[in-house]
Amino acid sequence: AQSVSQHNHHVILSEAASLELGCNYSYGGTVNLFWYVQYPGQHLQLLLKYFSGDPLVKGIKGFEAEFIKSKFSFNLRKPSVQWSDTAEYFCAVNPRLYNFNKFYFGSGTKLNVKP
Amino acid sequence: EAQVTQNPRYLITVTGKKLTVTCSQNMNHEYMSWYRQDPGLGLRQIYYSMNVEVTDKGDVPEGYKVSRKEKRNFPLILESPSPNQTSLYFCASTRKGLAGETQYFGPGTRLLVL
Repeated sequence: AQSVSQHNHHVILSEAASLELGCNYSYGGTVNLFWYVQYPGQHLQLLLKYFSGDPLVKGIKGFEAEFIKSKFSFNLRKPSVQWSDTAEYFCAVNPRLYNFNKFYFGSGTKLNVKP
Repeated sequence: EAQVTQNPRYLITVTGKKLTVTCSQNMNHEYMSWYRQDPGLGLRQIYYSMNVEVTDKGDVPEGYKVSRKEKRNFPLILESPSPNQTSLYFCASTRKGLAGETQYFGPGTRLLVL
């Protein structure tokens, strides 16, 4: 079965610290990759996505992610976090072989930014 | 405004009492999905639909049913709810595309089965 691993379950940072959240997946074929954010009490919102092309993608709110195909990774980064970034972050993989509606999510990383 | 709506947002029920959670999208998307979110497990896909009358099982379909009689609606049915179905449920829709598309999520339905 396909799997998506987010190794950091809970991260605590101070404002202005840099952030990197790991995401690894097990699918060997071509994939679409996503990072979603879920603020407390809200639904998931798209942060950024990778379909093809430049493996370094930029998203909203200063987030970026780098796709490293050889490592099956799609890590999320932000140079300087803010208190408002406190949320849960989910990595998602969509294997592209023939089914564009099959998504696999990681277990999530809770980020707590201290003011 | 493009959106995915779910009803109800909160529901408390008892074991065995059939319930339906509705999902509707106004974006004319072909693909729709249901997920459940549990602490430490992330989101797991329950069922998905590629178009009207086309549905398939996701990773955790046991105890759930779906139907897709109209493009905009994709209800989730629990024929005989059990306490292990207590969870937060999200509906999502996606436009059909060659390169893959973004999912748009509904606001969630928090279900408690006693």
